[in-house]
Formats: sequence, structure tokens, C-alpha cells
Amino acid sequence: GAGVSQSPSNKVTEKGKDVELRCDPISGHTALYWYRQSLGQGLEFLIYFQGNSAPDKSGLPSDRFSAERTGGSVSTLTIQRTQQEDSAVYLCASSPPNYNEQFFGPGTRLTVL
Amino acid sequence: QQPVQSPQAVILREGEDAVINCSSSKALYSVHWYRQKHGEAPVFLMILLKGGEQKGHEKISASFNEKKQQSSLYLTASQLSYSGTYFCGTELVGSGNTGKLIFGQGTTLQVKP
Repeated sequence: GAGVSQSPSNKVTEKGKDVELRCDPISGHTALYWYRQSLGQGLEFLIYFQGNSAPDKSGLPSDRFSAERTGGSVSTLTIQRTQQEDSAVYLCASSPPNYNEQFFGPGTRLTVL
Repeated sequence: QQPVQSPQAVILREGEDAVINCSSSKALYSVHWYRQKHGEAPVFLMILLKGGEQKGHEKISASFNEKKQQSSLYLTASQLSYSGTYFCGTELVGSGNTGKLIFGQGTTLQVKP
């Protein structure tokens, strides 16, 4: 079956521009997570959705970062006024209701020039 | 709050064994283990739950010491395909069984012929 998909796979943008990153989770997965992975680093938690609500936004680095999820499915992570330190791979994962295994998408590599 | 993994890196010959450790300063509800190959998304290996339940792959085993808030991943008779970066993800007691994971910095494993 189809896995988690993310788009775009690569995004190069100029400092100060806004970007939108998209995540399509596995059908039926109620939980959705966004992580950020900087070069050679671990996975940094950003935000978590249960259905369309985000009970935990504690990992968002600043108010330039926001995310939404519609229809209990697709999620969009928006970064406003991008900075060079935002450059990283942004990974999305989804999980069935038992919250056991997280299935990761291939990620979006964001480069801010 | 981020768990600490050790060692940071290990090099093995095929057939040798390895142990990767994950230690947290917080009370843990569960520990998840993932493997990430270069340029790919992390892939689930195992989950260890408070109370002793384990779910994962046959050829990989792990332990979870609830009192010490530590987990160890045991890789036996290593194969070339085991190469990659291993991450532990910890779910804290009190997080509400949301699947929100705080990941360690990773352990890079290289298996040579």
C-alpha cells in the first residue's frame, strides 16, 4: 500500500520568503508528527496532530513556524520569513491509533540561501 | 530531556555483535528504536513498553530497564545491511500515550565485510 508521502522533495528558497511543506499520511492513521533533522543530527520534534487538532506544539522553534491538518489527513507545515538556520530535512510521520509504530515519509530537504 | 545514546559510532565486521545504549533522565513510558540509512527515512525496529511488552523484528532484540530509564539494542551476528544510524525515541510518562517521541542524537553503525 501507499506510504507517507511528502512534497516537495527538495526546496531551495531565499532568506525571508515563506515556504509550505506538505505531508500525506497513510490512510487511516490518526496521528501525524513533524520532525526536523539538521545535517548529521538527530530528529527534533516539532508538532503532533491527533485528528485535526494539535495538542502539542511545544517543539515549534518560533512563531514563524505553523502547521495545520485538514480532514484528518493532509498536513501542511508553513515557515514564514525563512532564515538560513531553517535549512534542514523536514520529516513527517504518521501512526495508527495504537501509537506504536511511526511510519516516516521521505522528507523535504529545505535549503535557505 | 533528550536521551543520550552511546556509543556515538561503532565499526564492526560481519558476524560480530553490537550493543547500543539509550539513557534518559526522565521517567519513560516507552522506548522506540529506529534505523536510518543514508539519505533515507527512519524505519521502525522495535518498541519497548513500560511493563515489559515488546514489539519488533525477529533478529533484533532490546531491553528496557524502567528503574534506570535505560534501554539497550542488541544486534547479533551483524550483516552488511545493519549499517546505518540508530536512533532511540523516548516517550515520557505523563505524555498521555500520544506517541510523541524525543529522539537521541543517534549511533552510527558501520558493518564491514
